[in-house]
Amino acid sequence: AAGVIQSPRHLIKEKRETATLKCYPIPRHDTVYWYQQGPGQDPQFLISFYEKMQSDKGSIPDRFSAQQFSDYHSELNMSSLELGDSALYFCASSLLWRLLSYNEQFFGPGTRLTVL
Amino acid sequence: AQSVTQLGSHVSVSEGALVLLRCNYSSSVPPYLFWYVQYPNQGLQLLLKYTTGATLVKGINGFEAEFKKSETSFHLTKPSAHMSDAAEYFCAVSGVFGNEKLTFGTGTRLTIIP
Repeated sequence: AAGVIQSPRHLIKEKRETATLKCYPIPRHDTVYWYQQGPGQDPQFLISFYEKMQSDKGSIPDRFSAQQFSDYHSELNMSSLELGDSALYFCASSLLWRLLSYNEQFFGPGTRLTVL
Repeated sequence: AQSVTQLGSHVSVSEGALVLLRCNYSSSVPPYLFWYVQYPNQGLQLLLKYTTGATLVKGINGFEAEFKKSETSFHLTKPSAHMSDAAEYFCAVSGVFGNEKLTFGTGTRLTIIP
């Protein structure tokens, strides 16, 4: 079965540079979520999109922006990178087939971003 | 807003012994609850979930958890630990509307002693 694809898997950037992380959800999934997991930390929710519209927002810095495209893939753009942005970034996708029901989030393998 | 608290950032058990990882939740309404496992340098794998129905839920790799509303708990157990169970375990919670975010606990690192 197809899974969530994230690219690149590893990314090394310098401080103040820009990074773009991509997420390709499972086919026919309409919702994408982004989570950030710092070293030794729990995953923290950043932002989510449903049908190409932002559906929820967490502790995402203003330097970050994200969007979901017409083919449902999503990109997380990170500018003016800081050392503290070094983390594992997970994307998850789900299909909202019914509002008051459980719709499982399927996680991708993550992109490990290292900022030097 | 929902939250979860995991008691014990590190737990060590002997191989073959009972595994018990504790999780308490806070929510104004019964939430959905999850346990995820993360092996070193890997992604998140869903172990089990509670949504509705039976309060004792069974997951993969012999793990199970019981939703106890009166205690606001969702502890993870396994009768007999195996070396391959060594990993980081995260309890998570979400609301019951279809596409709500997951809120994770701080994690418990499980070490298995041979």
